[in-house]
Amino acid sequence: SQQGEEDPQALSIQEGENATMNCSYKTSINNLQWYRQNSGRGLVHLILIRSNEREKHSGRLRVTLDTSKKSSSLLITASRAADTASYFCATSPGRRALTFGSGTRLQVQP
Amino acid sequence: GAVVSQHPSRVICKSGTSVKIECRSLDFQATTMFWYRQFPKQSLMLMATSNEGSKATYEQGVEKDKFLINHASLTLSTLTVTSAHPEDSSFYICSVSLTGPNYGYTFGSGTRLTVV
Repeated sequence: SQQGEEDPQALSIQEGENATMNCSYKTSINNLQWYRQNSGRGLVHLILIRSNEREKHSGRLRVTLDTSKKSSSLLITASRAADTASYFCATSPGRRALTFGSGTRLQVQP
Repeated sequence: GAVVSQHPSRVICKSGTSVKIECRSLDFQATTMFWYRQFPKQSLMLMATSNEGSKATYEQGVEKDKFLINHASLTLSTLTVTSAHPEDSSFYICSVSLTGPNYGYTFGSGTRLTVV
């Protein structure tokens, strides 16, 4: 079953703009992860944020986590056409299978 | 880094036939692998957890007799879609959880199954 919802479902921006996508989840978590999926391909792990962290950065990525609201956001700064993909948040209890959000399809126009 | 190899990447089969999808961990041992299914423009849904040397654990609503999982070694898990029907057409992805203080998961590249 899906852990929660992501919004927006689809996002179209111009190169150079920032893209923000949000994720909500339902259960208590140890960590929350963000993945990227290019069309018809497997998933690539982007970043993991632990439940005791509020913000984390990795290159052009910034992730926030609000456990009181059971929500997370992924910000991609200075977007590029190559960032066009679907982005999913995911959680898991320990090392069991991941449960994914509904995903955001990002289109970056050159 | 840890690599999971999945093949075939695409397969087209006739209704009623069976299709086998392989997932291999190339440079590490995986006692547990996960199989997901993804319909177009939807998220990934867990089908089953594959356990080396024992029976797979299937999610509710997934027919274990239709989706046969074999995990006979620490580096290979297979998913066989038996008596495939057009509604089985989907994208199937395997995954392995990694160890370490910042563990994540690594995914195969997926298999696009089309049943005609």
